[in-house]
Amino acid sequence: NAGVTQTPKFQVLKTGQSMTLQCAQDMNHNSMYWYRQDPGMGLRLIYYSASEGTTDKGEVPNGYNVSRLNKREFSLRLESAAPSQTSVYFCASSRGPDEKLFFGSGTQLSVL
Amino acid sequence: DAKTTQPNSMESNEEEPVHLPCNHSTISGTDYIHWYRQLPSQGPEYVIHGLTSNVNNRMASLAIAEDRKSSTLILHRATLRDAAVYYCIPDNNAGNMLTFGGGTRLMVKP
Repeated sequence: NAGVTQTPKFQVLKTGQSMTLQCAQDMNHNSMYWYRQDPGMGLRLIYYSASEGTTDKGEVPNGYNVSRLNKREFSLRLESAAPSQTSVYFCASSRGPDEKLFFGSGTQLSVL
Repeated sequence: DAKTTQPNSMESNEEEPVHLPCNHSTISGTDYIHWYRQLPSQGPEYVIHGLTSNVNNRMASLAIAEDRKSSTLILHRATLRDAAVYYCIPDNNAGNMLTFGGGTRLMVKP
């Protein structure tokens, strides 16, 4: 059972570079989410997708874009990375709103 | 959104019960209370959730105060594997925006 799979696990970028974090789930979930977690802090919601074809901003969307490619996949793009975006990024999915979240193992991103 | 207050950290001995408190005095009447935990270097995992009455599952029990302004997560026999950060999260009924605060770091001593 793969659950929620994130790639890559680690990434180092230079300021101004762009990259896309990939997330896929095999549980046929409708809703998907991207969170970031800074050292010693809780998770903050960046963007979410309640269902295929919809995306909405979370608490900290600036500097990011998302694409719900299909029901399985939800990607997060950094167009011009900044050191403030150094963080661990978690993707999650749920059957629907108010249902329990299943998380991936995270992507450690460093922006130099 | 309901605000939560949890202790920054707690310590327990292995095989003893642990009671993790959470205050959520501004919770609304229809907000569920969710608990997640995050083991070191992993993503959070669901523990339990409830609305009004106490809830039990194979991982833990959730005791909810009658006025719903506080709740307590109970681990009946702590193991070393239970060392994690525990997050108490009232559901704000937006359906998609569970907010993870700082949580309680639980340390379990052998």
